[in-house]
Amino acid sequence: NAGVTQTPKFRILKIGQSMTLQCTQDMNHNYMYWYRQDPGMGLKLIYYSVGAGITDKGEVPNGYNVSRSTTEDFPLRLELAAPSQTSVYFCASSYPGDSGRSYNEQFFGPGTRLTVL
Amino acid sequence: AQTVTQSQPEMSVQEAETVTLSCTYDTSENNYYLFWYKQPPSRQMILVIRQEAYKQQNATENRFSVNFQKAAKSFSLKISDSQLGDTAMYFCAFMTSVEYGNKLVFGAGTILRVKS
Repeated sequence: NAGVTQTPKFRILKIGQSMTLQCTQDMNHNYMYWYRQDPGMGLKLIYYSVGAGITDKGEVPNGYNVSRSTTEDFPLRLELAAPSQTSVYFCASSYPGDSGRSYNEQFFGPGTRLTVL
Repeated sequence: AQTVTQSQPEMSVQEAETVTLSCTYDTSENNYYLFWYKQPPSRQMILVIRQEAYKQQNATENRFSVNFQKAAKSFSLKISDSQLGDTAMYFCAFMTSVEYGNKLVFGAGTILRVKS
């Protein structure tokens, strides 16, 4: 299993540009998450999904959009990039807490470093 | 809302010695989970150890153990026989078992440097 994969690894955007951060998992996890990590800080939840077709906002959703058309993929869309969105973005996935498997551990991708200039 | 506080921004320890990282949290829930994640310079998030709030026994994983004090809402991580490879950012994280989506709330992290 590849686990959770993210593309691209690095990206530089100009203010006002848009882009999509890709996330794919091959563990058949129902739950998927997007976090951002600002320098020297912990991770903050942007959006999450409990299954295909179901998404919900996390702590810091402004400026982002998500979709979940399949179990495997959970892309994050930035429509109008702003310098405040300069951060490292992590995607994660897990089984539901009551699935009886893997005690709801979240598995993380390697992250995407995004700079908005 | 749940909050997680890590009061030590940076710590250092000599190789082979023991170090304890502190974490406190705030919640009104009775059932929840606590985690310590390690983030080395590679940025990869690695689960170190996990504790279920309903278990009184402290979790251990090889050189890593926790001191879970539920009444005090404290969850410290002890690393024994520190190794150079333990150098990383360590995050304490909280997950309520009743909230939809099993979302994690992270502390700000503690940078640990192991010196030779």
